[in-house]
Order: sequence, then structure tokens, then C-alpha cells
Amino acid sequence: NAGVTQTPKFQVLKTGQSMTLQCAQDMNHEYMSWYRQDPGMGLRLIHYSVGAGITDQGEVPNGYNVSRSTTEDFPLRLLSAAPSQTSVYFCASSYSRGEMNTEAFFGQGTRLTVV
Amino acid sequence: QKEVEQDPGPLSVPEGAIVSLNCTYSNSAFQYFMWYRQYSRKGPELLMYTYSSGNKEDGRFTAQVDKSSKYISLFIRDSQPSDSATYLCAMRQGNYGQNFVFGPGTRLSVLP
Repeated sequence: NAGVTQTPKFQVLKTGQSMTLQCAQDMNHEYMSWYRQDPGMGLRLIHYSVGAGITDQGEVPNGYNVSRSTTEDFPLRLLSAAPSQTSVYFCASSYSRGEMNTEAFFGQGTRLTVV
Repeated sequence: QKEVEQDPGPLSVPEGAIVSLNCTYSNSAFQYFMWYRQYSRKGPELLMYTYSSGNKEDGRFTAQVDKSSKYISLFIRDSQPSDSATYLCAMRQGNYGQNFVFGPGTRLSVLP
């Protein structure tokens, strides 16, 4: 059971380039989300999905796109990379247990540098 | 004012000490409270999960929630060098979506 798998682990982009951060989970979780983590800012929600075909914006969505065609995969696309997007990106998944949306399980992160 | 505040540390304690980590928050609608531990260059992992007010104990860890003061705490007894990590508090209003709100984290070092 791999849990939440993110690729790549590290990436350097030039300003203006585009790329896709991959996230896959094998726990059949309904909910998936993307966060960015910056020093002193904590984890901030970029986009999330409550199921296949359904996505919504979080706190800091600008410059990012997502789609959810399957339960397992939730890729994050950077449309035109900017230095302000230099960060560590985490994908997370969680599930509902009765009325509770339980805790998030996190991937190991993608360290992105935009130069 | 940030929705969730947390002293960033770093906090250094000797092995065996009792550690107290705290978060304050401004949104009285938060009902679910979590503590995550994050080792360097790793993803966060859940330590404790509580609903509403009260205490919850799990081994050396105790989580407390005081909703009247909008204040949550994590206590670590008999701290070990392996507890050295960043501790993130997180909270959520309801049981839908992914609307977790995280504190910035407190970096803890337990010295042997």
C-alpha cells in the first residue's frame, strides 16, 4: 500500500514554463487536495476535489489548474511558472467516516524552484 | 490577523522534558482539531485528532482543546530526540471538503 505518491520530488523551472505535478493515491479516498508550504506561512490550500469530476478552489488558486478524471489521480498544473511559485507542494487525500471527514494523508512533497 | 497562530520556535528542550506546544485561532466555528508532525523534508503525518473541547491522550502525547479561549495544546511527556520535528496544528469547521486550516508550525529540538 503506497499511500499518496507525488512525482517528481524535485524540479527546477524557468519563468514562464509550464509543468504538471503528479499525485496518485491507492486508498480509494474521495477527497484530494494540493497545498503549498512556505516558511512562516504554514500549509495553504491551492485546490481540492471531493470526488472524480469535481474540483474547487482553495485559498491560493491563482496560477494553478487541477482536474480529477479518476479517483486515484489529482494532477496540479502550473500554467506559466513564476518565481513566487517557488515552494514545497504537498498532495493529500482523506475519506469520510460517517459524518466525519477524517484527517489528511500527505505525500512526501515536491520541491519546486522557479528561476 | 492570521486565522491560526503558532509560535514558530525553534524550541529546544533536554531529553525527558515535558514539551508544551500551542495554537490560538480566531474562527469560533472550528470544531475539529489536529496535530501533525513533520520531519525535515517529509510530508506531515497525523499525531492527534480531537473533536470539540476536552483532552485526548495517546501514549506520551496529550491534546487539549479549549474552545472558550480558542486555544489548543499538545503536550509531549518524556520527550525523545526522535520527537525533534516541526509540529503543525490544523483545524476544520465541518465535515465537508478539504477546508483544513494549518498553523505555520513550531520547530522542536530535543537534545540528548
